[in-house]
Amino acid sequence: DGGITQSPKYLFRKEGQNVTLSCEQNLNHDAMYWYRQDPGQGLRLIYYSQIVNDFQKGDIAEGYSVSREKKESFPLTVTSAQKNPTAFYLCASSIDLGTYEQYFGPGTRLTVT
Amino acid sequence: AQTVTQSQPEMSVQEAETVTLSCTYDTSESNYYLFWYKQPPSRQMILVIRQEAYKQQNATENRFSVNFQKAAKSFSLKISDSQLGDTAMYFCAFMKSTGANSKLTFGKGITLSVRP
Repeated sequence: DGGITQSPKYLFRKEGQNVTLSCEQNLNHDAMYWYRQDPGQGLRLIYYSQIVNDFQKGDIAEGYSVSREKKESFPLTVTSAQKNPTAFYLCASSIDLGTYEQYFGPGTRLTVT
Repeated sequence: AQTVTQSQPEMSVQEAETVTLSCTYDTSESNYYLFWYKQPPSRQMILVIRQEAYKQQNATENRFSVNFQKAAKSFSLKISDSQLGDTAMYFCAFMKSTGANSKLTFGKGITLSVRP
């Protein structure tokens, strides 16, 4: 079955530690995205990638980093510079950057204490 | 920059009845897409319906339909014959139709509860 996987579903970290969230897709999509969701807020775009080895900052990129070494994978690192890292993180992909339909993964809930 | 506003944080509807969720947006673009996404308690985001701005006809997907008013920049979602499985958060979203900067802009969402 084609789809997007994110692991783990729940992640706990101590303040000051970097943590990497996994996102893998087998849909053969070129474009991938990372969103952050907070209570009472819509989804906000962190980073997006149009193609391998290329990525762009979204609206709230500060304190985050990404890589896109493979088409299937777009990991997100939440660094210690992110002031409020506790949130629900969603990964998505689409055929290309201009395609309107994005497919979402199941999300990772990150809690930093 | 585009903005999407969902002013109602919560709504409730009786099973089998009809409910309308409101959304307004602001843009200077003439070509764009609008979407409604559903996020059930599992938190998996699911595309419910989409509307191309250049189409005058309102989109329909089974029990879900939209009322798209381009001049008023309004995009409401009507759910007919509400079912318990419709209980979820619903997000309205906007996307420019072309260009490397095409990305989704979401509203804050509305929590819909369907009562048995």
